[in-house]
Amino acid sequence: AQSVTQLDSQVPVFEEAPVELRCNYSSSVSVYLFWYVQYPNQGLQLLLKYLSGSTLVKGINGFEAEFNKSQTSFHLRKPSVHISDTAEYFCAVEGGYQKVTFGIGTKLQVIP
Amino acid sequence: DGGITQSPKYLFRKEGQNVTLSCEQNLNHDAMYWYRQDPGQGLRLIYYSQIVNDFQKGDIAEGYSVSREKKESFPLTVTSAQKNPTAFYLCASSNLPSPGTNEQFFGPGTRLTVL
Repeated sequence: AQSVTQLDSQVPVFEEAPVELRCNYSSSVSVYLFWYVQYPNQGLQLLLKYLSGSTLVKGINGFEAEFNKSQTSFHLRKPSVHISDTAEYFCAVEGGYQKVTFGIGTKLQVIP
Repeated sequence: DGGITQSPKYLFRKEGQNVTLSCEQNLNHDAMYWYRQDPGQGLRLIYYSQIVNDFQKGDIAEGYSVSREKKESFPLTVTSAQKNPTAFYLCASSNLPSPGTNEQFFGPGTRLTVL
């Protein structure tokens, strides 16, 4: 079995400030990790993914995430947020049999 | 442009009626998925299909049905047996040649409201 925990349901942050959205996972097999973004009333789109290799992964829109196997974490970061980053962010894990499990999401609210 | 389309964007239904949500993809992906999204609950898998003429129940399949007669199409029917159907429904697809490749591409969603 596998699971994903997004520790914060909402994160308010001022524009141009840094942000970290936390994600922890559990799995009995090797995993592949994803972050998706969802703007209001739209589908999800991929921000970045970790498959193997370097544990620091860079994605679109200036986001990056670091895979930490010992802490079973895959936190998403951005050094300076913009109003347009206001959205909901989902962490996901692909484990055995290519099954994907999504977290419940974190709403990022950027304050002008 | 390749992508996934869902229609309609908004759908209203009276209690006791079945409704069908459309999902079409032109990405030539083998696998397709239906998710339900409710506030604070993330995405929950309803049904998925990895090949034409075959599909599997997800975590919350009760009250829903699907078909996969063509590779590019995966319609979802919300039946009158679904007790609380008001939600945002998302369709997705992916190619699955090997582990670590289940990156899913999502449609824009259909918001279903039961009146």
